Amino acid sequence: GAVVSQHPSWVICKSGTSVKIECRSLDFQATTMFWYRQFPKQSLMLMATSNEGSKATYEQGVEKDKFLINHASLTLSTLTVTSAHPEDSSFYICSARARDRTLYGYTFGSGTRLTVV
Amino acid sequence: QKEVEQNSGPLSVPEGAIASLNCTYSDRGSQSFFWYRQYSGKSPELIMSIYSNGDKEDGRFTAQLNKASQYVSLLIRDSQPSDSATYLCAVIFGNEKLTFGTGTRLTIIP
Repeated sequence: GAVVSQHPSWVICKSGTSVKIECRSLDFQATTMFWYRQFPKQSLMLMATSNEGSKATYEQGVEKDKFLINHASLTLSTLTVTSAHPEDSSFYICSARARDRTLYGYTFGSGTRLTVV
Repeated sequence: QKEVEQNSGPLSVPEGAIASLNCTYSDRGSQSFFWYRQYSGKSPELIMSIYSNGDKEDGRFTAQLNKASQYVSLLIRDSQPSDSATYLCAVIFGNEKLTFGTGTRLTIIP
């Protein structure tokens, strides 16, 4: 089956620093990557959508200069939280959509728990 | 605004009974519907996908879709304590983004 590897699984950083989260599709080509954020006891909120080789499309209210997304290849997408603040502490999850949607659909990474202190 | 609505619960069901989870969505043109299970601190995992009106069964799980009523449900038969989790309904709207409901927290009581 389709597997998306997300790294790191958890990270603690100091306020003002930047953190990079990676998502790799291991056995399929991810033409589109979705990045979600989930606060405690809340549902997943879509932050942005990225297509390989294109600029990401951000949802309303999400600062594109703060959450930098790169999708340079069909197997790797990265989310960088720049100048992180405690309110950015959350669970970040990527979801990859394969070129062959009927075969793989949407596959989620294991998530990254970010704590900003 | 594309919306997916779920009863947040918590829903408590005795072990061995049937758990029924419900979801409504706002876009009549939606074609793809999913149920995910999420354990605390973990990423969602896909349980069922359904695209056509009617029922779709997979083991102890049955998804039901009624596009006319814009309603999708998930039944879990012979509920087990390991089924205790938050269940997320997700719908793909016309823009092909997977939109999640708020989730229903299910607790199976031994």
